[in-house]
Amino acid sequence: AQSVTQLDSQVPVFEEAPVELRCNYSSSVSVYLFWYVQYPNQGLQLLLKYLSGSTLVKGINGFEAEFNKSQTSFHLRKPSVHISDTAEYFCAVSDTSNTGKLIFGQGTTLQVKP
Amino acid sequence: NAGVTQTPKFRVLKTGQSMTLLCAQDMNHEYMYWYRQDPGMGLRLIHYSVGEGTTAKGEVPDGYNVSRLKKQNFLLGLESAAPSQTSVYFCASSYSRPPRFYGYTFGSGTRLTVV
Repeated sequence: AQSVTQLDSQVPVFEEAPVELRCNYSSSVSVYLFWYVQYPNQGLQLLLKYLSGSTLVKGINGFEAEFNKSQTSFHLRKPSVHISDTAEYFCAVSDTSNTGKLIFGQGTTLQVKP
Repeated sequence: NAGVTQTPKFRVLKTGQSMTLLCAQDMNHEYMYWYRQDPGMGLRLIHYSVGEGTTAKGEVPDGYNVSRLKKQNFLLGLESAAPSQTSVYFCASSYSRPPRFYGYTFGSGTRLTVV
């Protein structure tokens, strides 16, 4: 069975500082990995995804993530955050069955301070 | 193009009451999912469907039932609501599954309180 662990429940950071949100996964087979963002009182939006190929993937709003198979990690980074990046971020891994199920981490709240 | 629409957006139920949450998508997606979101627990899969007329249990199915009579609709039912079912419920859909998989489209959620 697959699982996802987001290592930080809350990450406070000042505006224009860099940020990294950490995600580790466990799986005995190949996986597909995703980061979603949830703004207050909204649904989830896809930030970026890793399906195959280059291990560095770029997403929307200046975010990027690096797939590290040996460390089973998929950390999300942004070089300079804005107030508008304040949100909850979810890492997710696909179930490799034919169901398309996503398994989500517990979420990390990014708090950007002025 | 509305995407994924959930109704209602808010609801307060008394313990023991029943209700149905509706999820409708207009993207001709084959796969549909119901998740619940609780603080500190992320999203947990309740039930899912890989096509019209098919449903299956997810991680936390107890107390819920689902139906997918039409491809575009996925209904989540609570037969006898309990306070433990107080949560935010999200519906999601996807066109395909891995490896041709591009993630989910989510609805905006239903906030349910059971008193």
